[in-house]
Amino acid sequence: QQQVKQSPQSLIVQKGGISIINCAYENTAFDYFPWYQQFPGKGPALLIAIRPDVSEKKEGRFTISFNKSAKQFSLHIMDSQPGDSATYFCAAYKPGGKLIFGQGTELSVKP
Amino acid sequence: DVKVTQSSRYLVKRTGEKVFLECVQDMDHENMFWYRQDPGLGLRLIYFSYDVKMKEKGDIPEGYSVSREKKERFSLILESASTNQTSMYLCASSLSGVSSYEQYFGPGTRLTVT
Repeated sequence: QQQVKQSPQSLIVQKGGISIINCAYENTAFDYFPWYQQFPGKGPALLIAIRPDVSEKKEGRFTISFNKSAKQFSLHIMDSQPGDSATYFCAAYKPGGKLIFGQGTELSVKP
Repeated sequence: DVKVTQSSRYLVKRTGEKVFLECVQDMDHENMFWYRQDPGLGLRLIYFSYDVKMKEKGDIPEGYSVSREKKERFSLILESASTNQTSMYLCASSLSGVSSYEQYFGPGTRLTVT
């Protein structure tokens, strides 16, 4: 079964710090690598996504770094804020519509 | 804004009961999905549908079935609920084609089977 492995399971960061979440995948036939953000009581929502032919994508304080040879990608949250406290899921998108999600990271940003 | 609604936020059922979870989306999306979310396991795909009356098994279809009679509605059925089906169930929808990595999720139904 194709997998996406995500770490750490939980993360505590001080306000203003950098949050880093890592993912690794096992299959090369993925078209996109999105990250989803989920607040308590809500469904996940797309945060940012990257194609495998791009090494980095930045949107505001959120950056995806992608290493195709290592089959790894990571989410960096710069200047982390208490409002960023949420669960983050990485995912890999297969042609045909399926997303394969990582296990999730519960981020807590302390004031 | 895309809206995905689920029929219940919380549901408590007894072992052996037949359970229906309903999902409706209002953006004319072709694809619809059912996931279950469990701590430490992420989101796991149960079933998905890319068109009316079409369905495909996901990674964990055992004990579940689905129905899609109309484009906007996708139902998940637990034929005989068991305690190991206690979980958060999330419905999602997306367009088909290159942008279908962007899925829109409902708020979830927390199902407890006793």
